[in-house]
Amino acid sequence: GENVEQHPSTLSVQEGDSAVIKCTYSDSASNYFPWYKQELGKRPQLIIDIRSNVGEKKDQRIAVTLNKTAKHFSLHITETQPEDSAVYFCAASTDTGRRALTFGSGTRLQVQP
Amino acid sequence: SAVISQKPSRDICQRGTSLTIQCQVDSQVTMMFWYRQQPGQSLTLIATANQGSEATYESGFVIDKFPISRPNLTFSTLTVSNMSPEDSSIYLCSVGTGPGNTIYFGEGSWLTVV
Repeated sequence: GENVEQHPSTLSVQEGDSAVIKCTYSDSASNYFPWYKQELGKRPQLIIDIRSNVGEKKDQRIAVTLNKTAKHFSLHITETQPEDSAVYFCAASTDTGRRALTFGSGTRLQVQP
Repeated sequence: SAVISQKPSRDICQRGTSLTIQCQVDSQVTMMFWYRQQPGQSLTLIATANQGSEATYESGFVIDKFPISRPNLTFSTLTVSNMSPEDSSIYLCSVGTGPGNTIYFGEGSWLTVV
């Protein structure tokens, strides 16, 4: 089955700096890669996703890149703000068959004011 | 995105008892899943809830412990049976909906077993 590895487990940055979180996956059939943000005591919220026919996707300060050959994808947050502090999860799935998400282990991002 | 309602949102349960969690979606969805998130951990898939047939369980999860029902395309239940403190977790209902079947989560049911 799919295995998703996520690094780093914790990340501390100064407000205004950029943050990068990286994930690798094992199943070459995976073609959907979402990122979720989970604030303390709340549900995971989808913040951005990418499909395998696209190499990069941006939404304001957030971007995701995908390298299918290397089986890795990354989340980039620019101009970080204290409200970006949360746990971020990457995930992977296929469009057919099982279709459920397999999650990475999570990254706790702390943005220092 | 779909509106996903879960009940209860939070509960404290006695060891050895069972609790049923309900998940209601405001539109028909083909994909519905149940996840567990243990304290400080990532999300682990328990099972895929299949409408009109038995759920598909992931390795390490069994029907006797986590019976699931899905009578229609908008509703599902997950029961956590014979609970122990190790079952203290957040249980999350999720659905696939919209273009490309994007996955969204309900607010979660926070269970503490004492």
